[in-house]
Amino acid sequence: NAGVTQTPKFQVLKTGQSMTLQCAQDMNHEYMSWYRQDPGMGLRLIHYSVGAGITDQGEVPNGYNVSRSTTEDFPLRLLSAAPSQTSVYFCASRTGYEQYFGPGTRLTVT
Amino acid sequence: SQQGEEDPQALSIQEGENATMNCSYKTSINNLQWYRQNSGRGLVHLILIRSNEREKHSGRLRVTLDTSKKSSSLLITASRAADTASYFCATGGGSNYKLTFGKGTLLTVNP
Repeated sequence: NAGVTQTPKFQVLKTGQSMTLQCAQDMNHEYMSWYRQDPGMGLRLIHYSVGAGITDQGEVPNGYNVSRSTTEDFPLRLLSAAPSQTSVYFCASRTGYEQYFGPGTRLTVT
Repeated sequence: SQQGEEDPQALSIQEGENATMNCSYKTSINNLQWYRQNSGRGLVHLILIRSNEREKHSGRLRVTLDTSKKSSSLLITASRAADTASYFCATGGGSNYKLTFGKGTLLTVNP
């Protein structure tokens, strides 16, 4: 199993640009989540999904959209990038309590 | 907002010493988890302790849970340079969809 995969690994955007961070898992997990990690802030939940077609907001959802059309994929869309969205983004999945994380996407918005 | 808060924020020790990190949380829990994050990597699950357990061991890891004080501790014995990482506690999960993390303790083990 590949586990949780994320692409791209690094990305630089200009303010106002849009992009999609990709996340996929091959463990047939129901729950998937997106977190952002900033220095001194720990991990903050952006959006999560409890199954295909079902998503909900986390702690810091503004400026991000998600959808879950399949069990495997959970993309995160930045609609109009802002410098405040410069961060490291982690996708994660789980079926019970133990959460599996992807390797992260380092995003810089200039 | 974060449910768990780790203490200390940073810890530096020598190889072979024990490292203790603490986590305090605010509301009642069903279980508490600890994760490790090596620099530049995703988090990796270490251990889960249920609310009806007081202590749990896994290799060189020992976790305790005191639900009356709403606190947990992670002890790493005989630390190695490879243990250098950030350690996070997490609460929630299961049918409580949101798994929330603290801000972490950065452990540095000097050779």
